[in-house]
Amino acid sequence: EAGVAQSPRYKIIEKRQSVAFWCNPISGHATLYWYQQILGQGPKLLIQFQNNGVVDDSQLPKDRFSAERLKGVDSTLKIQPAKLEDSAVYLCASSLEGRWGFNEKLFFGSGTQLSVL
Amino acid sequence: AQSVTQPDIHITVSEGASLELRCNYSYGATPYLFWYVQSPGQGLQLLLKYFSGDTLVQGIKGFEAEFKRSQSSFNLRKPSVHWSDAAEYFCAVAPSNTGKLIFGQGTTLQVKP
Repeated sequence: EAGVAQSPRYKIIEKRQSVAFWCNPISGHATLYWYQQILGQGPKLLIQFQNNGVVDDSQLPKDRFSAERLKGVDSTLKIQPAKLEDSAVYLCASSLEGRWGFNEKLFFGSGTQLSVL
Repeated sequence: AQSVTQPDIHITVSEGASLELRCNYSYGATPYLFWYVQSPGQGLQLLLKYFSGDTLVQGIKGFEAEFKRSQSSFNLRKPSVHWSDAAEYFCAVAPSNTGKLIFGQGTTLQVKP
């Protein structure tokens, strides 16, 4: 079974530039998540999609961050303009239903490491 | 609001010694609880999870965790640590009606030869 694919693996930009990350979830997974992991901290949920609709974006800084999941499959996360404090690993994850139960599993990608200089 | 606290930022143990990583949570109802491990450059891997039932749960790689409602804790244990266990460990809590996770800040485990 193919895992959650993310690209690029690394990205270095200067502050005020824009950047985009791409995620392809496991086939058939209805739910897709973007997490931000700042160095020395645990991952923090930015946004949760159910198919192509947003379930939770309460912690997404909407003045600079945007995300979309066209056709309910792959997703892009964009930052414009980037700030120094956006330096982090951006993790994408997917799951079958988006509701915890004994059979629900969450699969994480390897992440995109962003450095803002 | 739900939250997770991992009191130990960094722990060092000798190879072969026992290990206990602490996790305390704040949640109004019975929580769903998880432990994940993250090795450098690797994605997050689920070690074990607790939903209900037996409060002692077994996971992969010889890890186990015990849910103690009275102490709001879900500590991770391993009887004998291997050098390959050196990694970052995250405890997480999940609201039962969503699929999201709320993570603690993590504990870095270093294993001495």
